[in-house]
Amino acid sequence: EVQLVESGGGLVQPGGSLRLSCSASGFIFSSDAMHWVRQAPGRGLEYVSGITKNGGSTYYADSVKGRFTISRDDSKNTLFLQMSSLRADDTAVYYCVRGGSGDYSNWGQGTLVTVSS
Amino acid sequence: DVVMTQSPLSLPVTLGQPASISCRSSQSLVPSDGNTYLHWFHQRPGQSPRRLIYKVSNRDSGVPDRFSGSGSGTDFTLKISRVEAEDVGVYYCMQATHWPRTFGQGTKLEIK
Repeated sequence: EVQLVESGGGLVQPGGSLRLSCSASGFIFSSDAMHWVRQAPGRGLEYVSGITKNGGSTYYADSVKGRFTISRDDSKNTLFLQMSSLRADDTAVYYCVRGGSGDYSNWGQGTLVTVSS
Repeated sequence: DVVMTQSPLSLPVTLGQPASISCRSSQSLVPSDGNTYLHWFHQRPGQSPRRLIYKVSNRDSGVPDRFSGSGSGTDFTLKISRVEAEDVGVYYCMQATHWPRTFGQGTKLEIK
């Protein structure tokens, strides 16, 4: 069974940093692209970032470009999202999502990030 | 970035009646490999999104056959032939042809 478990969320002050992790199991992690998608309270889904299966390419939404960095450790089956210069509008549940273009079938339960003073 | 536009944003439906959601992309979603990476997701309150339809028209395992997807190029549709109570929630289309991926705004389906 595929499992994606996010962690690292919490309360952080504006301008601060946070690193999210996603622990994956039940599939060959190194064979899949991985992604982060977020959802602000009461709002829709927003694609944040993606990384190809070999980590060679990374992609970001304009709203986080230059502030967030996605990475992966295939030896530990873990996906990361380093977030810096956090703003109030980064407050959201962050989901880890598995897959290449034809996938996106597996989502984690999400981790809440709250940016507030 | 590719803009995905859904309509309507709110969809009140009587039980047993059909429902239809439109999703339009600002660019063609047909890449060089010939596939069209347009997916549909359903999200209930407090839950993670669940994929319903992948690559325009393929139903995921366990998805009732009252759900169907269609479309091509830049114009796509999700249809529910007869709405049931469990279908309430928000439906999103997402394109996975272009980077970065993008979602529609979401369509909230409720029972009248």
